[in-house]
Amino acid sequence: KAGVTQTPRYLIKTRGQQVTLSCSPISGHRSVSWYQQTPGQGLQFLFEYFSETQRNKGNFPGRFSGRQFSNSRSEMNVSTLELGDSALYLCASSLAGTGGGTEAFFGQGTRLTVV
Amino acid sequence: AQSVTQLDSQVPVFEEAPVELRCNYSSSVSVYLFWYVQYPNQGLQLLLKYLSGSTLVKGINGFEAEFNKSQTSFHLRKPSVHISDTAEYFCAVRLTSGTYKYIFGTGTRLKVLA
Repeated sequence: KAGVTQTPRYLIKTRGQQVTLSCSPISGHRSVSWYQQTPGQGLQFLFEYFSETQRNKGNFPGRFSGRQFSNSRSEMNVSTLELGDSALYLCASSLAGTGGGTEAFFGQGTRLTVV
Repeated sequence: AQSVTQLDSQVPVFEEAPVELRCNYSSSVSVYLFWYVQYPNQGLQLLLKYLSGSTLVKGINGFEAEFNKSQTSFHLRKPSVHISDTAEYFCAVRLTSGTYKYIFGTGTRLKVLA
């Protein structure tokens, strides 16, 4: 069974540009969440999607947005990049409908560097 | 609101020695508890989880954790560590319904010394 796939693995962007990251969850998983990981702030929750609907959103500016498609694949977009957006972005998928106790499976992440 | 505190940012320990990584949480409602491990340049991998029942939970790679409701703690232990256990460990909580969102602690970097 394939795991969570995130593309690309590495990205270098310039301040002011925008970027789109992609996440393909495990087959059959309908819940996708995104996290930002930085050395200073640790793992911070960005968004959660379930069946194409955003169910929760973390405390991030409006420059961060996301969506989920009918096949459960998800994308997140960051516009007007700032140096502080440099981070590892992790996607996690869960087999929704089985209660909150089901664990999330994480992708290897996309390492975004803003220069 | 929920929060998770991992008191130790770094824990050095010699190979074959026991280790305990501490985790305390705060929540006014019931939560599930998890420990994840992250190896360099990798995503997170589940070690173990506590949902209900026995307070001692056994996970992969010889790790175990004990849920203590009165102390709101969920400490992770291993009786004998290996060099390969060197990694960052994250404690996390999640509400029991309505969301799959995790709230993570800041992580503990375990360094196993030869």
